[in-house]
Amino acid sequence: DVKVTQSSRYLVKRTGEKVFLECVQDMDHENMFWYRQDPGLGLRLIYFSYDVKMKEKGDIPEGYSVSREKKERFSLILESASTNQTSMYLCASSLFGGLGYGYTFGSGTRLTVV
Amino acid sequence: DAKTTQPPSMDCAEGRAANLPCNHSTISGNEYVYWYRQIHSQGPQYIIHGLKNNETNEMASLIITEDRKSSTLILPHATLRDTAVYYCIVRGMYSGGGADGLTFGKGTHLIIQP
Repeated sequence: DVKVTQSSRYLVKRTGEKVFLECVQDMDHENMFWYRQDPGLGLRLIYFSYDVKMKEKGDIPEGYSVSREKKERFSLILESASTNQTSMYLCASSLFGGLGYGYTFGSGTRLTVV
Repeated sequence: DAKTTQPPSMDCAEGRAANLPCNHSTISGNEYVYWYRQIHSQGPQYIIHGLKNNETNEMASLIITEDRKSSTLILPHATLRDTAVYYCIVRGMYSGGGADGLTFGKGTHLIIQP
């Protein structure tokens, strides 16, 4: 089975800190994604990447950046964490370009910014 | 991608079939219907997808109406572990090369009652 592993399950950071959320997949998938999930708002796409060193903005990229230096790893960076970035962050990968199936999600990182 | 409408919540007795409806009246000819579910504190999980024919796999069946304006996900013998939020997603092939992410709505919270 494809595994998408997020480095932390729970994280507490202070306002203004630089925060790195790491995601690793083990099945050689081309495509990787970062979502955040908030009550009442559902899952929203932050950034995605379809190849090493390639990145595309999703629906809510403000306040975030990403890094894809290796195929298996996709990092989400909060340059200066703010309390409104308190959320559940979900990483996903997919093999098939352009299709809607075969997305595999990690278990999520619950980030609290205080 | 076409918009979908799902009931916010549904109950089903354990052991019975759970039928989850989804309306997608603006679906276009090349758009597929995908179903994912999210069990509490986990990332979404792919269930099934279809274009116009009914589909079945080890998890569920997908019934798409002839006009393709609605579909029903069927869990034939629901168990307590099927309690989750179920998302119906309609999208076509992304033409930009890599995958561009899935758009999740609010979904249906299915509660299986013992």
